[in-house]
Amino acid sequence: SQQGEEDPQALSIQEGENATMNCSYKTSINNLQWYRQNSGRGLVHLILIRSNEREKHSGRLRVTLDTSKKSSSLLITASRAADTASYFCATGGGYQKVTFGTGTKLQVIP
Amino acid sequence: ETGVTQSPTHLIKTRGQQVTLRCSSQSGHNTVSWYQQALGQGPQFIFQYYREEENGRGNFPPRFSGLQFPNYSSELNVNALELDDSALYLCASSPRDGSTDTQYFGPGTRLTVL
Repeated sequence: SQQGEEDPQALSIQEGENATMNCSYKTSINNLQWYRQNSGRGLVHLILIRSNEREKHSGRLRVTLDTSKKSSSLLITASRAADTASYFCATGGGYQKVTFGTGTKLQVIP
Repeated sequence: ETGVTQSPTHLIKTRGQQVTLRCSSQSGHNTVSWYQQALGQGPQFIFQYYREEENGRGNFPPRFSGLQFPNYSSELNVNALELDDSALYLCASSPRDGSTDTQYFGPGTRLTVL
């Protein structure tokens, strides 16, 4: 079963704009992660935020976590055509199973 | 450092056949997890292997089975293939020592069942 829902399911923006995608999850977590998947291939780990953190940055990525609302958001600033991919939030990891959300399909138009 | 590799890249089988997919874990990673990703969905956990034994299983029938070898590589076997088994199969490796909460994914094997 999926951990939760991602919103929106699909997003289309112009290059240079910011992209925001949201994730809701169901159970208590130790951390939440975001992955990128290009063209139905392997998953690339982007960023991890722990349950005691509220915000984290990595390059053009900004992740927030609200454990009281069981939600997280991923912001990609100054998007590029190469950011076109599907983005998944996920919980678990390490030696525990990873449970993924349903994903947001992002298209960045040059 | 060698990343996670999977073979084959693509595979076409017919209903009722059996298939074996292979995964080599990242150097130093002793835990391998397998996931099934249907088209348009997020990956779903099949099972995990550690010390050559199954260590956790998702909601998949027994015809999905696996192996882990002493070098930590792994196989996923699916018997009596069904049309709904068509999916991208991903393996991921991680160390058992708790040093990271990240699993490292391979490029996947695309299985088509006709």
